[in-house]
Amino acid sequence: DAGITQSPRHKVTETGTPVTLRCHQTENHRYMYWYRQDPGHGLRLIHYSYGVKDTDKGEVSDGYSVSRSKTEDFLLTLESATSSQTSVYFCAISEPTGSNSPLHFGNGTRLTVT
Amino acid sequence: DQQVKQNSPSLSVQEGRISILNCDYTNSMFDYFLWYKKYPAEGPTFLISISSIKDKNEDGRFTVFLNKSAKHLSLHIVPSQPGDSAVYFCAASGLSNAGNMLTFGGGTRLMVKP
Repeated sequence: DAGITQSPRHKVTETGTPVTLRCHQTENHRYMYWYRQDPGHGLRLIHYSYGVKDTDKGEVSDGYSVSRSKTEDFLLTLESATSSQTSVYFCAISEPTGSNSPLHFGNGTRLTVT
Repeated sequence: DQQVKQNSPSLSVQEGRISILNCDYTNSMFDYFLWYKKYPAEGPTFLISISSIKDKNEDGRFTVFLNKSAKHLSLHIVPSQPGDSAVYFCAASGLSNAGNMLTFGGGTRLMVKP
């Protein structure tokens, strides 16, 4: 698992409620990412971070915010969850050396918005 | 508009035979390509990669071929084993300030029958 822990592993929440997912790494990697996996779409990038307090948007960032106050933690927040945000969320880390460093993923959080 | 496509959602192969998984891309700026393998309830794990300066990379039973003119890559697994049954994602990255931000295909579910 390359030292990546996602919590919670499963979450059921109601539409309109806020939700925060946590990613914790023990590898001291500089880059962290949040992806969502949906059938037929593969994995799509939501937000990423390239250092403490340095974050940027990915392909599907609407409705999501992130924070990174420490190297090891990257939080994903759904301010007001919607049914379209029902998905499996994966955190990934990397420490790029040139352009040939693969991402390493956590085991995911399955989120259901009812 | 998906920049990385895996047109076969599923593939069934007999144990011992060759599995060939295909992937097409549209972005000419992609210069690094990866294959990930995913088991249920786990995160994707890195399998093999290839740089755009090569046309083949081999690692044990796994070989990735890249045809830049056709914007096509394929993963060959020989011989296929039941433990290879999983979802395989093709991914690509290009010159970017965001570490190794990856664009994924939709995945192909491989079933290897004993």
